Amino acid sequence: TVLTQSPGTLSLSPGERATLSCRASQTITFKYLAWYQQKPGQAPRLLVYGASSRATGVPDRFSGSGSGTDFTLTISRLEPEDFAVYYCQQYGNSPWTFGQGTKLEIK
Amino acid sequence: QEHLLESGGGVVQPGRSLRLSCTASDFTFQNYAMHWVRQAPGKGLEWVAIIAHDGRNKDYVDSVKGRFSISRDNSKKTLYLQMNSLTTEDTAVYFCARSPGWAQYYFDLWGQGTLVTVSS
Repeated sequence: TVLTQSPGTLSLSPGERATLSCRASQTITFKYLAWYQQKPGQAPRLLVYGASSRATGVPDRFSGSGSGTDFTLTISRLEPEDFAVYYCQQYGNSPWTFGQGTKLEIK
Repeated sequence: QEHLLESGGGVVQPGRSLRLSCTASDFTFQNYAMHWVRQAPGKGLEWVAIIAHDGRNKDYVDSVKGRFSISRDNSKKTLYLQMNSLTTEDTAVYFCARSPGWAQYYFDLWGQGTLVTVSS
Protein backbone atom coordinates (compact mmCIF):
# COMPACT_ATOMS: atom_id res chain seq x y z
CA THR A 1 0.00 0.00 0.00
CA VAL A 2 1.46 3.33 -1.10
CA LEU A 3 0.86 6.27 1.22
CA THR A 4 1.06 9.79 -0.22
CA GLN A 5 1.37 12.68 2.20
CA SER A 6 0.56 16.28 1.39
CA PRO A 7 1.78 18.89 1.44
CA GLY A 8 5.47 18.05 1.30
CA THR A 9 6.27 21.15 3.32
CA LEU A 10 3.90 23.25 5.40
CA SER A 11 4.98 26.70 6.59
CA LEU A 12 2.98 28.05 9.51
CA SER A 13 3.40 30.23 12.57
CA PRO A 14 3.04 29.24 16.24
CA GLY A 15 -0.58 29.42 17.27
CA GLU A 16 -1.89 28.48 13.85
CA ARG A 17 -3.74 25.30 12.92
CA ALA A 18 -1.97 22.60 10.90
CA THR A 19 -3.72 20.05 8.70
CA LEU A 20 -1.64 17.19 7.29
CA SER A 21 -3.03 14.70 4.79
CA CYS A 22 -2.24 11.03 4.12
CA ARG A 23 -3.85 9.25 1.18
CA ALA A 24 -3.58 5.49 0.64
CA SER A 25 -3.50 3.63 -2.67
CA GLN A 26 -6.04 1.14 -1.31
CA THR A 27 -8.46 0.98 1.58
CA ILE A 28 -6.77 0.61 4.93
CA THR A 29 -8.61 -2.05 6.87
CA PHE A 30 -9.84 -1.38 10.40
CA LYS A 31 -8.40 2.16 10.24
CA TYR A 32 -4.94 0.72 10.86
CA LEU A 33 -3.20 4.05 10.34
CA ALA A 34 -0.64 5.68 12.64
CA TRP A 35 1.09 9.06 12.75
CA TYR A 36 4.61 9.82 13.99
CA GLN A 37 6.61 12.94 14.70
CA GLN A 38 10.35 13.00 14.06
CA LYS A 39 12.78 15.74 15.01
CA PRO A 40 16.34 15.95 13.61
CA GLY A 41 18.67 13.33 15.02
CA GLN A 42 15.89 11.61 16.96
CA ALA A 43 13.81 8.48 16.60
CA PRO A 44 10.20 8.85 15.52
CA ARG A 45 7.61 9.31 18.23
CA LEU A 46 4.18 7.72 18.03
CA LEU A 47 1.38 10.30 18.10
CA VAL A 48 -1.76 8.54 16.88
CA TYR A 49 -2.79 4.95 16.15
CA GLY A 50 -6.01 3.45 14.86
CA ALA A 51 -6.44 6.66 12.86
CA SER A 52 -7.75 8.64 15.83
CA SER A 53 -6.43 7.30 19.16
CA ARG A 54 -3.78 9.46 20.77
CA ALA A 55 -0.74 7.68 22.19
CA THR A 56 0.13 8.00 25.85
CA GLY A 57 1.40 11.45 26.76
CA VAL A 58 0.50 13.11 23.46
CA PRO A 59 -1.09 16.55 23.97
CA ASP A 60 -4.73 16.88 22.99
CA ARG A 61 -3.92 19.53 20.40
CA PHE A 62 -2.98 16.57 18.19
CA SER A 63 -5.94 14.75 16.64
CA GLY A 64 -6.30 12.17 13.92
CA SER A 65 -9.27 11.42 11.70
CA GLY A 66 -10.26 9.62 8.55
CA SER A 67 -11.09 6.21 7.15
CA GLY A 68 -10.84 4.21 3.96
CA THR A 69 -8.09 5.86 1.96
CA ASP A 70 -8.05 9.41 3.36
CA PHE A 71 -6.62 10.35 6.75
CA THR A 72 -5.75 13.62 8.45
CA LEU A 73 -3.57 14.73 11.34
CA THR A 74 -4.60 18.07 12.80
CA ILE A 75 -2.60 20.15 15.23
CA SER A 76 -5.07 22.66 16.61
CA ARG A 77 -2.70 25.33 17.84
CA LEU A 78 0.98 25.01 16.98
CA GLU A 79 3.56 25.16 19.72
CA PRO A 80 7.26 25.85 18.94
CA GLU A 81 8.14 22.21 19.70
CA ASP A 82 5.68 20.93 17.06
CA PHE A 83 7.86 21.94 14.13
CA ALA A 84 9.19 18.64 12.83
CA VAL A 85 8.61 16.01 10.15
CA TYR A 86 5.42 13.93 10.36
CA TYR A 87 4.93 10.48 8.89
CA CYS A 88 1.84 8.34 8.45
CA GLN A 89 2.12 4.55 8.49
CA GLN A 90 -0.35 1.83 7.56
CA TYR A 91 -0.35 -1.49 9.37
CA GLY A 92 -3.31 -3.12 7.70
CA ASN A 93 -1.24 -5.04 5.18
CA SER A 94 2.33 -6.29 5.03
CA PRO A 95 4.66 -4.76 4.09
CA TRP A 96 3.88 -2.04 6.58
CA THR A 97 4.53 1.21 4.77
CA PHE A 98 5.15 4.86 5.59
CA GLY A 99 4.30 8.02 3.74
CA GLN A 100 7.18 10.14 2.49
CA GLY A 101 6.63 12.70 5.26
CA THR A 102 5.41 16.26 5.68
CA LYS A 103 7.88 18.82 6.99
CA LEU A 104 6.22 21.36 9.24
CA GLU A 105 8.38 24.46 9.35
CA ILE A 106 8.17 27.82 11.06
CA LYS A 107 6.98 30.60 8.79
CA GLN B 1 11.48 3.39 31.90
CA GLU B 2 10.97 1.20 28.83
CA HIS B 3 13.96 1.39 26.58
CA LEU B 4 15.51 -0.04 23.41
CA LEU B 5 19.21 0.32 22.64
CA GLU B 6 20.71 -0.62 19.29
CA SER B 7 24.34 -1.44 18.64
CA GLY B 8 26.53 -2.94 15.94
CA GLY B 9 26.42 -0.27 13.27
CA GLY B 10 29.51 0.92 11.43
CA VAL B 11 31.21 1.19 8.08
CA VAL B 12 31.29 -1.95 5.94
CA GLN B 13 32.32 -2.69 2.37
CA PRO B 14 29.77 -3.74 -0.25
CA GLY B 15 29.17 -7.47 -0.24
CA ARG B 16 30.17 -7.88 3.39
CA SER B 17 28.05 -8.69 6.44
CA LEU B 18 27.07 -6.97 9.66
CA ARG B 19 24.94 -7.94 12.66
CA LEU B 20 22.90 -5.42 14.58
CA SER B 21 21.64 -5.93 18.11
CA CYS B 22 18.86 -4.27 20.08
CA THR B 23 18.63 -4.74 23.83
CA ALA B 24 15.38 -4.12 25.65
CA SER B 25 14.92 -2.99 29.21
CA ASP B 26 12.09 -2.39 31.67
CA PHE B 27 9.38 -4.28 29.81
CA THR B 28 8.49 -7.91 29.19
CA PHE B 29 10.35 -8.34 25.91
CA GLN B 30 9.03 -11.85 25.23
CA ASN B 31 5.45 -10.58 24.98
CA TYR B 32 6.00 -8.29 22.01
CA ALA B 33 6.55 -8.56 18.28
CA MET B 34 9.62 -6.59 17.28
CA HIS B 35 10.72 -4.84 14.11
CA TRP B 36 13.61 -3.21 12.34
CA VAL B 37 12.89 0.06 10.54
CA ARG B 38 15.51 1.99 8.59
CA GLN B 39 16.02 5.52 7.35
CA ALA B 40 18.49 6.37 4.60
CA PRO B 41 20.29 9.71 5.05
CA GLY B 42 17.85 12.56 4.45
CA LYS B 43 15.08 10.15 3.47
CA GLY B 44 11.90 8.71 4.94
CA LEU B 45 11.21 5.62 7.01
CA GLU B 46 11.18 2.09 5.62
CA TRP B 47 9.99 -0.97 7.51
CA VAL B 48 12.52 -3.80 7.12
CA ALA B 49 11.54 -6.86 9.14
CA ILE B 50 9.26 -8.24 11.84
CA ILE B 51 9.60 -11.15 14.23
CA ALA B 52 6.78 -12.55 16.35
CA HIS B 53 7.02 -12.50 20.12
CA ASP B 54 8.09 -16.17 20.19
CA GLY B 55 10.35 -15.97 17.15
CA ARG B 56 8.30 -18.43 15.10
CA ASN B 57 7.06 -16.05 12.43
CA LYS B 58 9.12 -13.56 10.46
CA ASP B 59 8.57 -11.31 7.48
CA TYR B 60 10.72 -8.94 5.43
CA VAL B 61 10.43 -6.14 2.92
CA ASP B 62 11.14 -7.51 -0.55
CA SER B 63 14.40 -5.56 -0.97
CA VAL B 64 16.11 -7.49 1.86
CA LYS B 65 14.56 -10.96 1.48
CA GLY B 66 17.24 -13.61 1.18
CA ARG B 67 19.93 -11.23 2.50
CA PHE B 68 18.73 -10.15 5.96
CA SER B 69 17.65 -12.37 8.83
CA ILE B 70 15.83 -11.22 11.95
CA SER B 71 16.07 -13.22 15.17
CA ARG B 72 15.67 -12.80 18.90
CA ASP B 73 16.85 -14.26 22.19
CA ASN B 74 14.11 -13.69 24.74
CA SER B 75 16.34 -14.89 27.58
CA LYS B 76 18.72 -12.04 26.78
CA LYS B 77 15.95 -9.57 25.87
CA THR B 78 17.78 -8.95 22.62
CA LEU B 79 16.73 -8.57 19.00
CA TYR B 80 19.12 -9.13 16.11
CA LEU B 81 19.40 -8.29 12.44
CA GLN B 82 21.93 -10.26 10.42
CA MET B 83 22.67 -8.38 7.23
CA ASN B 84 24.51 -10.16 4.41
CA SER B 85 25.51 -9.14 0.89
CA LEU B 86 25.22 -5.49 1.81
CA THR B 87 24.93 -2.87 -0.90
CA THR B 88 25.20 0.91 -0.84
CA GLU B 89 21.37 0.98 -0.90
CA ASP B 90 21.41 -0.47 2.63
CA THR B 91 23.14 2.61 4.04
CA ALA B 92 20.79 3.95 6.70
CA VAL B 93 20.07 4.46 10.37
CA TYR B 94 18.52 1.24 11.62
CA PHE B 95 15.95 1.51 14.40
CA CYS B 96 14.50 -1.34 16.39
CA ALA B 97 10.88 -0.82 17.33
CA ARG B 98 8.16 -2.54 19.31
CA SER B 99 4.58 -3.34 18.33
CA PRO B 100 2.09 -3.24 21.17
CA GLY B 101 0.02 -6.31 20.30
CA TRP B 102 -1.20 -8.91 17.84
CA ALA B 103 -2.14 -7.27 14.52
CA GLN B 104 -1.37 -3.88 16.05
CA TYR B 105 1.75 -3.41 13.99
CA TYR B 106 2.39 0.22 14.67
CA PHE B 107 5.49 1.19 16.65
CA ASP B 108 5.00 2.46 20.17
CA LEU B 109 8.62 2.28 21.35
CA TRP B 110 11.75 3.03 19.34
CA GLY B 111 15.46 2.82 19.95
CA GLN B 112 17.74 5.74 19.14
CA GLY B 113 19.08 4.00 16.03
CA THR B 114 22.45 2.77 14.79
CA LEU B 115 24.07 3.98 11.57
CA VAL B 116 25.15 1.48 8.93
CA THR B 117 27.30 2.86 6.14
CA VAL B 118 28.06 0.61 3.18
CA SER B 119 30.98 2.04 1.27
CA SER B 120 34.16 0.90 -0.42
